Amino acid sequence: SAVISQKPSRDICQRGTSLTIQCQVDSQVTMMFWYRQQPGQSLTLIATANQGSEATYESGFVIDKFPISRPNLTFSTLTVSNMSPEDSSIYLCSVDMTQGSRAFFGQGTRLTVV
Amino acid sequence: EDQVTQSPEALRLQEGESSSLNCSYTVSGLRGLFWYRQDPGKGPEFLFTLYSAGEEKEKERLKATLTKKESFLHITAPKPEDSATYLCAVQVASSYKLIFGSGTRLLVRP
Repeated sequence: SAVISQKPSRDICQRGTSLTIQCQVDSQVTMMFWYRQQPGQSLTLIATANQGSEATYESGFVIDKFPISRPNLTFSTLTVSNMSPEDSSIYLCSVDMTQGSRAFFGQGTRLTVV
Repeated sequence: EDQVTQSPEALRLQEGESSSLNCSYTVSGLRGLFWYRQDPGKGPEFLFTLYSAGEEKEKERLKATLTKKESFLHITAPKPEDSATYLCAVQVASSYKLIFGSGTRLLVRP
């Protein structure tokens, strides 16, 4: 398995500002993913972040709103830009290090936009 | 369109009362079906991956099974500590991303 650390664990932000969420993994992984879990909802994939290439975004998510960095095989960041109350969610980092047979999640970042 | 549907939305059991959770799916090609447990305020905890119809996997009081259209998570003699939301997800053959169902909230009363 993998140990995944996300920072911050929670934050309350003012609308119009941006927040960068960090994801650190204790081993090198090829595939990293960012998910959003809105209140009372299930998980929705935002983007796939692979080292050495630009992130691939899912329908409904754009790079200007959710820029992602993946500088190496153990670290990634997700920025939530120009936040509105609708961005209030839990944001989760996930890694797959077994060619699709297991996917592990961080503890999530609970974001509240006021 | 790839889709995952879980039922029931919520389930209340007495301690020791066995039951099953259902996950039905339609996908263009299935790489694997995943089950997770999620406790409030935490990220999903990996439980099982199933790959082909007829496959079964067990972990303590949990057993997951898979057919061509659905998966079941059987809970035998549950305990209060089994209370959580159980999430099902499919991994599409063309990628490694997961498509999640809406989850089943399980409450086991002592």
